[in-house]
Amino acid sequence: QKEVEQNSGPLSVPEGAIASLNCTYSDRGSQSFFWYRQYSGKSPELIMSIYSNGDKEDGRFTAQLNKASQYVSLLIRDSQPSDSATYLCAVNTQTDYKLSFGAGTTVTVRA
Amino acid sequence: NAGVTQTPKFQVLKTGQSMTLQCAQDMNHNSMYWYRQDPGMGLRLIYYSASEGTTDKGEVPNGYNVSRLNKREFSLRLESAAPSQTSVYFCASSDGNTQYFGPGTRLTVL
Repeated sequence: QKEVEQNSGPLSVPEGAIASLNCTYSDRGSQSFFWYRQYSGKSPELIMSIYSNGDKEDGRFTAQLNKASQYVSLLIRDSQPSDSATYLCAVNTQTDYKLSFGAGTTVTVRA
Repeated sequence: NAGVTQTPKFQVLKTGQSMTLQCAQDMNHNSMYWYRQDPGMGLRLIYYSASEGTTDKGEVPNGYNVSRLNKREFSLRLESAAPSQTSVYFCASSDGNTQYFGPGTRLTVL
């Protein structure tokens, strides 16, 4: 079983809709959770981090964490064509700042 | 403040050739990382360095070596390149929480 799994996608949503991305992880000791956005041909950039159960909102992005279910999600509200990218879920599974990444979910926002 | 820089951006090698990928960061971070990214597989950690003078293997270290030259620089060496090492390589550095990525090196081994 992979340490971090994401829904495989691709995910196609109309402009203005909500895109919902899911991620599960296997290590119950995980403490830190991140969402990175990666445009085609570019490097990953951090868009959200979350450390405690519940929701964290930043503009149109909301991260949700449920440690009991080992589940973290990302909601993109009012999706824009500029949100079209691959979204990578990353989890810090140890205390030495190593991250485990999921394979990514590609989102396409159609106008 | 350039962040994380990598050279070269593109490289084509023949099987058996060697090369070194260079990475430097100007954010005074202790931790640095090398990843490879292949289609459908996300980012896989090759090696990392928690601090100057230390290096450790990641998930896929075979065929690679690293050097943490100083706090700023962390290089990745392929001693005898193989077609299976065709990939995009990313270097990253961390402030202990967030990882910041360089622009990547696209390597093709023929």
